[in-house]
Amino acid sequence: GAVVSQHPSRVICKSGTSVKIECRSLDFQATTMFWYRQFPKQSLMLMATSNEGSKATYEQGVEKDKFLINHASLTLSTLTVTSAHPEDSSFYICSARADRGLSYGYTFGSGTRLTVV
Amino acid sequence: QKEVEQDPGPLSVPEGAIVSLNCTYSNSAFQYFMWYRQYSRKGPELLMYTYSSGNKEDGRFTAQVDKSSKYISLFIRDSQPSDSATYLCAMGEGRRALTFGSGTRLQVQP
Repeated sequence: GAVVSQHPSRVICKSGTSVKIECRSLDFQATTMFWYRQFPKQSLMLMATSNEGSKATYEQGVEKDKFLINHASLTLSTLTVTSAHPEDSSFYICSARADRGLSYGYTFGSGTRLTVV
Repeated sequence: QKEVEQDPGPLSVPEGAIVSLNCTYSNSAFQYFMWYRQYSRKGPELLMYTYSSGNKEDGRFTAQVDKSSKYISLFIRDSQPSDSATYLCAMGEGRRALTFGSGTRLQVQP
């Protein structure tokens, strides 16, 4: 089955620093990557959608200069949280979509727990 | 009104019980319907997906979709403590991102 590898699973950083989160599709080509944010006991909130080789489309209220998304290849997308602040602490999850039928669509990574101190 | 409504629970049942989880939606353009299971601090794991109204069964899980009522359900038979998790319904249209319900926390007591 489709597998999406997300790293790191957990990161603690100091306020003002930047953190990069990687998502790799291991056995399929991810034409589209979605990035979500999830607060405790809440559902997934879509942050942005990126297609390989194109600029990401951000949801309303998400700062594109703060959450930099790169989708340079069909197997790798990265989310960089720039100048992180404590309010950016959250669980970040990527989801990769392939155009190979629904069973290969919308595969999720295991998530990254970001804590900004 | 949210596009997808899901009772957040928590829902606590004894081991072996039948569990019923439900979502309603307002967007008639949704084409496919999914149920995900999410354990604490993990990414969602796809359980079931379906395109059409009716029932779909996979082991102890049955997904039910009623497009006319804009209502979907997930039934879990012979529930186990390992089923304790948050269950998220999700709906999709074309190639767009999925729209999720708020998730229902399920606790199966041994």
